[in-house]
Amino acid sequence: DVKVTQSSRYLVKRTGEKVFLECVQDMDHENMFWYRQDPGLGLRLIYFSYDVKMKEKGDIPEGYSVSREKKERFSLILESASTNQTSMYLCASSLSSSWAYEQYFGPGTRLTVT
Amino acid sequence: SQQGEEDPQALSIQEGENATMNCSYKTSINNLQWYRQNSGRGLVHLILIRSNEREKHSGRLRVTLDTSKKSSSLLITASRAADTASYFCCGGSNYKLTFGKGTLLTVNP
Repeated sequence: DVKVTQSSRYLVKRTGEKVFLECVQDMDHENMFWYRQDPGLGLRLIYFSYDVKMKEKGDIPEGYSVSREKKERFSLILESASTNQTSMYLCASSLSSSWAYEQYFGPGTRLTVT
Repeated sequence: SQQGEEDPQALSIQEGENATMNCSYKTSINNLQWYRQNSGRGLVHLILIRSNEREKHSGRLRVTLDTSKKSSSLLITASRAADTASYFCCGGSNYKLTFGKGTLLTVNP
């Protein structure tokens, strides 16, 4: 079974702090994704990566950056956390293809910025 | 750009009844997928239907796709309390999936 793990289930940070959210997958998937989920807004794509060191902006990249130095690991970085970044963050991975394959999700990190 | 929009937003039924959720999307897709999310947890893939398919079954799940109307439906038969969750549809093209806001299904024992 594919396993996607995220570094923390719950995280509390202060405004202005630099925040790292880590995601690791164990199935040699080429595609990895970061979403945020907010009540009433559903899931929104922040960034995705289709290969090591490759990234593309999703629908809401402002205030975030990402890093993918190794195939299995995809990091989301909040350079200077703000209260409007309080949210549930979900990481996912999928096989590489020109088709959109099913995505496997991690358990999520609930981030609170105070 | 929202590729999936579920209807209704919330649905409450009794155990044993069937639950039907609908999804509309806006642009061309390669496939349409449905996911389930239990409270406070990650999403779990349920079923994928390709754009050249019209209907697909998986256990108690039945999905239909009408590309001319840009719509899909998910039917859960003989529902159980454990089916209580949020259900999301999403359109897939290339690498990406674009999710809707979900339908919250409550199955009362």
